[in-house]
Amino acid sequence: DIQVMQSPSSLSASVGDTVTITCQTSQDINRYINWYQQKPGKAPRLVIYDASTLETGAPSRFRGSGSGTLFTFTISSLQPEDIATYHCQHYGYLPYTFGQGTKLEIK
Amino acid sequence: EAQLVESGGGVVQPGGSLRLSCAASGFTFSSDDMHWVRQSAGKSLEWVSSIDSSGDTYYPDSVKGRFTISRKNAKSSLHLQMNSLSPDDTAVYYCARGSPKAAAGTGAFDLWGQGTVVTVSS
Repeated sequence: DIQVMQSPSSLSASVGDTVTITCQTSQDINRYINWYQQKPGKAPRLVIYDASTLETGAPSRFRGSGSGTLFTFTISSLQPEDIATYHCQHYGYLPYTFGQGTKLEIK
Repeated sequence: EAQLVESGGGVVQPGGSLRLSCAASGFTFSSDDMHWVRQSAGKSLEWVSSIDSSGDTYYPDSVKGRFTISRKNAKSSLHLQMNSLSPDDTAVYYCARGSPKAAAGTGAFDLWGQGTVVTVSS
């Protein structure tokens, strides 16, 4: 199975900051990685797919990049409504696996 | 508006069975691949099963042989039959739709239900 290592596990930043989350996979997965936002008590929401494609309705301040084994998710100009846990997920091969999640908090 | 609504969760004893359902509306259910994903309290997400539009099914080793995913296209419904349950299966179970926009199949989940809670405890 492909392992997905996500870091950091938690992150505290101020409104207006740029924050970056990283996922590293144990094998080359091309660009087959997705990013989800999950607010407390809610289901996850797809925000980025195929490493860098913004899902319809997701804020343009969200950006994804990377290929192969190293991927990043960046939020520019952090807003209070971005407070959530973010998950990466590879999907190129079965079984699909998720990273451990990054809990984002506002300072 | 596209929507998924899960039901069927509850408390079950170890070794018991439970059948989850997911009612879909607002999109052409029969055309889309569907999935189940679970999340244990305070933990990350785990893919549980998939069924494509042709009815082919897929499972991780952790549930293979115990869980069965099925669909009834005429009723726009998805199901998960869970047998031989253990405390490790305790989680919120989500049904999700596979996005047809992703480049390598439908493993990007673009629509989720609200989840149903399964607790396995004696």
